[in-house]
Amino acid sequence: KAGVTQTPRYLIKTRGQQVTLSCSPISGHRSVSWYQQTPGQGLQFLFEYFSETQRNKGNFPGRFSGRQFSNSRSEMNVSTLELGDSALYLCASSSGGTLNNEQFFGPGTRLTVL
Amino acid sequence: AQSVTQPDIHITVSEGASLELRCNYSYGATPYLFWYVQSPGQGLQLLLKYFSGDTLVQGIKGFEAEFKRSQSSFNLRKPSVHWSDAAEYFCAVAPRGNEKLTFGTGTRLTIIP
Repeated sequence: KAGVTQTPRYLIKTRGQQVTLSCSPISGHRSVSWYQQTPGQGLQFLFEYFSETQRNKGNFPGRFSGRQFSNSRSEMNVSTLELGDSALYLCASSSGGTLNNEQFFGPGTRLTVL
Repeated sequence: AQSVTQPDIHITVSEGASLELRCNYSYGATPYLFWYVQSPGQGLQLLLKYFSGDTLVQGIKGFEAEFKRSQSSFNLRKPSVHWSDAAEYFCAVAPRGNEKLTFGTGTRLTIIP
C-alpha cells in the first residue's frame, strides 16, 4: 500500500503571496488531518477533514483553509503569507471511524516565506 | 485544555544503554496516548499507542511504554538503544473518538558510541 504523499516537498514564497499544498491519503482512508511544525511552536493541529467535511479545527487564523475532495485527497491553502508561516506542514490520514485510529503521516511540505 | 509535557528537550545515551523518555499529560479524562518518532527531514512514525487495557504497551523497534493513571504519565522505554534510534520523539494525546492530536514539544535523542 502506498503511503501518504504530499506535494510539493519544498516551496519558497514571498510575503503576501498565497500557497496551496496537496495531500494524498492512503487508499481507503477517509480522514485527513493537517499539522504545522515550527521550532518555536512545535507541532500544532490545523484541521481535519472527513468525507469532504471539516470535522475538527485548530486555533489558526482564517488565512489557513482547507478542503477535501471526493477521492479523499486534501488541499491546504494559506493566503497572505507571513514570515511566521514558514514551517513544515504535515498531513496525516486515517480510516477515520468513530474510534480513534492510527494516523499515518506524510513526509511533509517545507514552506519558506521570504 | 489538554496539554502534554516532555520535560527533557535533549537526551544523550550510549549505544547499548537503556532509555526512558518522560511524558506527562493533563486532561480531564484518560485520552488516547501515542508516541511518535521523527527522523531528520521525515514525517512522523507511530511507535506505539494506548487506548485501554494492559497499561504496558509494546511497540515497534523494541520500544515499550507504561501508562500510569495516578501520575498522568506515559513514559517510553527501550532496554538497549541502537545508533539508528537517534531521532526526535514526540508524545501525543487525543480525546477519545477524536482525530485531533496534541503533541508535546519533543525530546531529541542522541546516541554516542
